[in-house]
Amino acid sequence: SQTIHQWPATLVQPVGSPLSLECTVEGTSNPNLYWYRQAAGRGLQLLFYSVGIGQISSEVPQNLSASRPQDRQFILSSKKLLLSDSGFYLCAWGPRTSTNEQFFGPGTRLTVL
Amino acid sequence: GENVEQHPSTLSVQEGDSAVIKCTYSDSASNYFPWYKQELGKRPQLIIDIRSNVGEKKDQRIAVTLNKTAKHFSLHITETQPEDSAVYFCAANSGGSNYKLTFGKGTLLTVNP
Repeated sequence: SQTIHQWPATLVQPVGSPLSLECTVEGTSNPNLYWYRQAAGRGLQLLFYSVGIGQISSEVPQNLSASRPQDRQFILSSKKLLLSDSGFYLCAWGPRTSTNEQFFGPGTRLTVL
Repeated sequence: GENVEQHPSTLSVQEGDSAVIKCTYSDSASNYFPWYKQELGKRPQLIIDIRSNVGEKKDQRIAVTLNKTAKHFSLHITETQPEDSAVYFCAANSGGSNYKLTFGKGTLLTVNP
């Protein structure tokens, strides 16, 4: 069966510091991968998605970037965090076939102070 | 692009009553409609989905109905229990694609014992 991991689970960072969040998927090949952000009490905002190694699509221009160095690894980065970057960051994976489902990881709760 | 509207934003019911959450979508090419349940501090979990070739799907106490002509779909929960309390999100795939979902803003369901 498939498993998705995210780390760290929680993170407190000062404004202006860099960020690196990692997501890995086990038990599947060639997944579609996604990064979402959820502000407190709000909906799910799609940040980036990837349909293959090195292929990244950005949905919202902002202070973040994403990379996919390996088939089942997705990384979210920032060079300088802003207060507005605080939130719950969720990675998700979906099968490459036409089934459309997306399955979320446990999330990283980021607080920027 | 796709636009998904979800109502109500909050819903409070007594234990044992039914709950209905409704969503509308804008893209006539959408053909996949999942529902997610998110408990406080946890990841969204896929609870049921429906594709455009069917009008209704049931799984124990939950059901989803789809009206493609009117471009709306609904989640029905019968015999609600306190553990059904959560935020529920509807979604639709974008432009018939097999890798992007557009989410509604969520409904906070509270089941009072």
